[in-house]
Amino acid sequence: GAVVSQHPSWVICKSGTSVKIECRSLDFQATTMFWYRQFPKQSLMLMATSNEGSKATYEQGVEKDKFLINHASLTLSTLTVTSAHPEDSSFYICSARSSSNSPLHFGNGTRLTVT
Amino acid sequence: SQKIEQNSEALNIQEGKTATLTCNYTNYSPAYLQWYRQDPGRGPVFLLLIRENEKEKRKERLKVTFDTTLKQSLFHITASQPADSATYLCALANAGGTSYGKLTFGQGTILTVHP
Repeated sequence: GAVVSQHPSWVICKSGTSVKIECRSLDFQATTMFWYRQFPKQSLMLMATSNEGSKATYEQGVEKDKFLINHASLTLSTLTVTSAHPEDSSFYICSARSSSNSPLHFGNGTRLTVT
Repeated sequence: SQKIEQNSEALNIQEGKTATLTCNYTNYSPAYLQWYRQDPGRGPVFLLLIRENEKEKRKERLKVTFDTTLKQSLFHITASQPADSATYLCALANAGGTSYGKLTFGQGTILTVHP
């Protein structure tokens, strides 16, 4: 149980284009989903917290207009990287949990490369 | 400021031995603590969750301890196998207020089990 599916697993895009990443909880309802970013050999950095039906809460230093998050249902959240630039190239990982006391379960990540 | 330290960046052990990983924290009163395994290019996989009122948790060859006085968690893998080689992350969850359950991750320990 507790499977989180993330798509695509990798994407290459040109500078200036937008990329959408999907995160789905397959066998549970996720009241909260989180989006993380991870640089090589570094730990996970929280970008934003997404609650179903409400606006995402962004961490300090994360541009909400650049990283658009939509959590339209209890099983789906999307992250759109708008007007991507090479410095946005990174490993993006979503996670979900059913309640604040439950373990966090992660998707397998999306490797974004902006050329 | 709050700090989480996994005080070995890398740990090398022989197959069959017990691996012990350490997670220390300062300026933090976590509600609970989680341990994750991450393989290269993949999202973290949840292993164990231990709450502030629990001293020890076990799951098969894994054991976690949580000492809120020492502000430390130890993660043990007994009878280690080469397949246990991975990066192990500890994560602490905020205890109070609107950020209850928000996780902060340590930088991880790369475990290598040699045959």
